Amino acid sequence: NAGVTQTPKFQVLKTGQSMTLQCAQDMNHNSMYWYRQDPGMGLRLIYYSASEGTTDKGEVPNGYNVSRLNKREFSLRLESAAPSQTSVYFCASRPPGRGINEQYFGPGTRLTVT
Amino acid sequence: GQQLNQSPQSMFIQEGEDVSMNCTSSSIFNTWLWYKQDPGEGPVLLIALYKAGELTSNGRLTAQFGITRKDSFLNISASIPSDVGIYFCAGRPFSGTYKYIFGTGTRLKVLA
Repeated sequence: NAGVTQTPKFQVLKTGQSMTLQCAQDMNHNSMYWYRQDPGMGLRLIYYSASEGTTDKGEVPNGYNVSRLNKREFSLRLESAAPSQTSVYFCASRPPGRGINEQYFGPGTRLTVT
Repeated sequence: GQQLNQSPQSMFIQEGEDVSMNCTSSSIFNTWLWYKQDPGEGPVLLIALYKAGELTSNGRLTAQFGITRKDSFLNISASIPSDVGIYFCAGRPFSGTYKYIFGTGTRLKVLA
């Protein structure tokens, strides 16, 4: 049981390049989330998916797109990377069940846009 | 966006001392979560709280869900060097969606 996995662990992009961050969980969780973490700020929600086939914008969705490919996988795409998107990106998932509100995080992807 | 006020921002303590930190919000929450994050790693869930007044322990860690539903506290007893890291809280509002609000973290350094 690997929990939440993310690839790649590190990435350097040039302004204007595109890439997809991958996330997968093997815990049979329904809800999945993408966050970014910047110095001096709390984690900020980019997008989330309550279940397979549904996605919703979070606090900072501009410049990003997501795909909930199936129950296990939730990817985050940067179509045209900008230096402001330099950050650490975390994927998280939440167990199913009414009233269960715990979130479990992956190890993160450290992205630098030059 | 809304964020939690977490304090202190950082603290240096001697090994063996007890540690306290807290989070406050202007909104009421139905869940409080406490995480620890080591450098270069993802956050690890320490304690989850679901009821106002609830007191929950995980080893040397104890967390409480404030009676007003607007705050939460984390205590670490008899700190050890491996307690070093960033601790942050997260709360889930009574909003009907599964979105969370995160604190900015308390950076803990333990002096041996």
